[in-house]
Amino acid sequence: QSALTQPASVSGSPGQSITISCTGTSSDVGGYNYVSWYQQHPGKAPKLMIYDVSKRPSGLSNRFSGSKSGNTASLTISGLQAEDEADYYCNSYTRNTTVVFGGGTKLTVL
Amino acid sequence: DVHLLESGGTFVRPGESLRLSCLASGFTFGAHVMNWVRLTPGQGLEWLSTIDESGHRTYYPDSVRGRFAAYRDNSRNLLFLQMNSLRAEDTAIYFCARANALDSWGQGTLVTVSS
Repeated sequence: QSALTQPASVSGSPGQSITISCTGTSSDVGGYNYVSWYQQHPGKAPKLMIYDVSKRPSGLSNRFSGSKSGNTASLTISGLQAEDEADYYCNSYTRNTTVVFGGGTKLTVL
Repeated sequence: DVHLLESGGTFVRPGESLRLSCLASGFTFGAHVMNWVRLTPGQGLEWLSTIDESGHRTYYPDSVRGRFAAYRDNSRNLLFLQMNSLRAEDTAIYFCARANALDSWGQGTLVTVSS
């Protein structure tokens, strides 16, 4: 089970939009609409931001959105804020009834 | 509010065993799939196991299958992870998380494996 591919880092200025990609295969990302995204601040537990590709948990800011095209899922954060600086991870259900995470992306707000 | 509290993390030597616990509150524990995930410095998050609502079905990645075993006690709202033949590379913070979407997480418990 190979990890999903995410960029190691992305950055943006306050107010801008950024997109983090998450690339897998037809056996995971491309084969199922079960991609989730998590935000993790240092020393804190991960927090669910997006599930089932594009659904937001209740109460989560609509600045966060998810999408998928083929074997690549994406997380977009609009109106970037300082508190968005964190690590972001994607995961996907796989054909083998397992779960695979991406390697994580460090978001820096300039 | 959903609350998950992991415990049992400690320092162990390679080859030893350890059992982690996760105490759930604030929701109907027996109605939810549960998971274990770990965070390794430099490697990120790794999914370790999923156990169904009844505890009868469990799933693992190849990296821990046969060494780790998840089980649950729905009468006490407890989830467990039995870890055997521990290796240095198992050093990590271990989290329990609720549901297939991992919608709620505990704060984690640190396991250190070193000689």
